[in-house]
Amino acid sequence: DVKVTQSSRYLVKRTGEKVFLECVQDMDHENMFWYRQDPGLGLRLIYFSYDVKMKEKGDIPEGYSVSREKKERFSLILESASTNQTSMYLCASSLSTPGQRVGELFFGEGSRLTVL
Amino acid sequence: AQTVTQSQPEMSVQEAETVTLSCTYDTSESDYYLFWYKQPPSRQMILVIRQEAYKQQNATENRFSVNFQKAAKSFSLKISDSQLGDAAMYFCAYSKLGKSTFGDGTTLTVKP
Repeated sequence: DVKVTQSSRYLVKRTGEKVFLECVQDMDHENMFWYRQDPGLGLRLIYFSYDVKMKEKGDIPEGYSVSREKKERFSLILESASTNQTSMYLCASSLSTPGQRVGELFFGEGSRLTVL
Repeated sequence: AQTVTQSQPEMSVQEAETVTLSCTYDTSESDYYLFWYKQPPSRQMILVIRQEAYKQQNATENRFSVNFQKAAKSFSLKISDSQLGDAAMYFCAYSKLGKSTFGDGTTLTVKP
């Protein structure tokens, strides 16, 4: 089974701190994604990556950056955390090779970030 | 931009009964994928069912089935013989070229 692991389930940070959220997948997936989940707003795409060292902005990239130095690892960075970034962050990966499971997202357990 | 609408923020169903969750989407594309995902409380989001837009036949997975109406851009999820373990938030998602757009979710409560 595909496993997507997010390094921290719960984090509490202070306004202005730099925050790193790490995500690792073990199935050699090409695509990796960071979503933000807020009540009543569903999942909103922050950034995604189709390959190592490649990144694309999603729908709400402001205040975030990402890094993908290795295929299996995709990091989300909050350069200066703010209270409106308090949220649940979900990492996901998927295959891009055409086949039965193309497009299907495999999610991590989520990282709940609170910014005070 | 594609949008996905789930018009039912909350639904409830009696155990062993059937419930249908609604989803509509907007796209000008003809080839895409549609998914339903399930997120149990405090647990990982997982795939429930998928549908390729080019397939006319509705997808089924055990007690879960979809009603895919391509012209109407509608993709509803039917859960038959509901079980307590079906209680979760359900998300409808549209996917094209690997990028997915999600609805706001429907919270399903199953009453014993």
